[in-house]
Amino acid sequence: DAGVTQSPTHLIKTRGQQVTLRCSPKSGHDTVSWYQQALGQGPQFIFQYYEEEERQRGNFPDRFSGHQFPNYSSELNVNALLLGDSALYLCASSLFQGSSTDTQYFGPGTRLTVL
Amino acid sequence: SQQGEEDPQALSIQEGENATMNCSYKTSINNLQWYRQNSGRGLVHLILIRSNEREKHSGRLRVTLDTSKKSSSLLITASRAADTASYFCATVGVSGNTGKLIFGQGTTLQVKP
Repeated sequence: DAGVTQSPTHLIKTRGQQVTLRCSPKSGHDTVSWYQQALGQGPQFIFQYYEEEERQRGNFPDRFSGHQFPNYSSELNVNALLLGDSALYLCASSLFQGSSTDTQYFGPGTRLTVL
Repeated sequence: SQQGEEDPQALSIQEGENATMNCSYKTSINNLQWYRQNSGRGLVHLILIRSNEREKHSGRLRVTLDTSKKSSSLLITASRAADTASYFCATVGVSGNTGKLIFGQGTTLQVKP
C-alpha cells in the first residue's frame, strides 16, 4: 500500500519562473492539503482540495494555485517565483469524513530553491 | 502566522532519559496533534488529543492538554537515539476548518547514545 508520494524531490528555479509540484495521495484517500515549510519553521497551510475543488485556503497570495484530478492526485502551482518561496513543500492526504479529527498523512516533500 | 509556540526550541538529552516538550496556542481548538519530522522530510503523525480529553498515552508517548491554559505537553519516556527529530504540535480549530492544521515552530530533540 503506497503512502503519499511527491515529485520532484528537489527543484531549483530562478526568480520570476513558474513551478508545478505533484502529489499522489495514500490509497483510499480523497483529500489533499498542501503546506509550505520554511527552514527552521513549522509548516504553514496553503490550501486543501476535496472533490476537485479548493475547500480551504491559508494566507497565501494568488500566485499559489492548485488543482485536484479525478484520481485524487493534486498539483501545486506557483507563479512569478520569489526568493522567499524557497521552502519544503509538503503534501498531506486524508479521507474526508467531515470530521476535524481526520488524520493527515504527509509525503516526503519537495525541496524548492529559488535563485 | 503560527498558532502556537513550542518550548524549548532545542533539547539535548542522553539515551534513556525522558524528554518533555511544551506547546502553547492562542485560540480555541477542536483537537491538538503532535508530529515528528526527521531531517527536514515528511511529518509522521504521533498522537491526537481532543479538546475534551486531558491526557492520552501511546507507547512511550504521553500527551497532556490543558485548555484553560491553552497548552499541551509531550513526554517521551526512556528516549532512544532514534527519537532524534523535530517535534511539532498542530491544532485544528473549532469551526469550519476541518483538516486545516496550524503548526507551532517545533522543538528539535537530540538524543545522545
